[in-house]
Amino acid sequence: GAGVSQSPSNKVTEKGKDVELRCDPISGHTALYWYRQSLGQGLEFLIYFQGNSAPDKSGLPSDRFSAERTGGSVSTLTIQRTQQEDSAVYLCASSLQGMMFFGEGSRLTVL
Amino acid sequence: AQSVTQLGSHVSVSEGALVLLRCNYSSSVPPYLFWYVQYPNQGLQLLLKYTSAATLVKGINGFEAEFKKSETSFHLTKPSAHMSDAAEYFCAVRTRGGNEKLTFGTGTRLTIIP
Repeated sequence: GAGVSQSPSNKVTEKGKDVELRCDPISGHTALYWYRQSLGQGLEFLIYFQGNSAPDKSGLPSDRFSAERTGGSVSTLTIQRTQQEDSAVYLCASSLQGMMFFGEGSRLTVL
Repeated sequence: AQSVTQLGSHVSVSEGALVLLRCNYSSSVPPYLFWYVQYPNQGLQLLLKYTSAATLVKGINGFEAEFKKSETSFHLTKPSAHMSDAAEYFCAVRTRGGNEKLTFGTGTRLTIIP
């Protein structure tokens, strides 16, 4: 596609449920990033992929968070046993040669 | 570790007035610096970036920023604000030679007063 595509755009879930957020990067972009944007805060780095491997996952806040990337393309961020503090906008970005492009985000609300 | 500090979480300017959004960086070596804009319910869009060529960088929508090593600053300016500039602005830093991960400031919400 022309840009970074994320789905779902909005997700409301109950506390304790698992959620999956999907990111489809720009074709040919080898690097992919996940960030979290909480209300009134900046962007918090979660994880970075180069191809299918994740050399930097230092930002994942707990072992309830995991991510994978397959075929050097689509990535899925999974949050298990969601908590209310997980409510945020999850942004995905892909980059090539230092230029980073963001999707519109997935807004997660945990009730 | 590298970081950026954005002074002022909210800035209001009158339409037609100068826009000045402040960003200071902390890095042991001159980094790459970026400004992004986020309009409501949208992703981030790159405004401009500094990568060590000219210290005055021009971006889209009439914005520019000047890299000042002596002040460790990369402030964003626009001579004349337009109503459409109302958005949230993020300064970001990336280490040279490292992975392309950006570290973002906490953002400045710009309001334009008619």
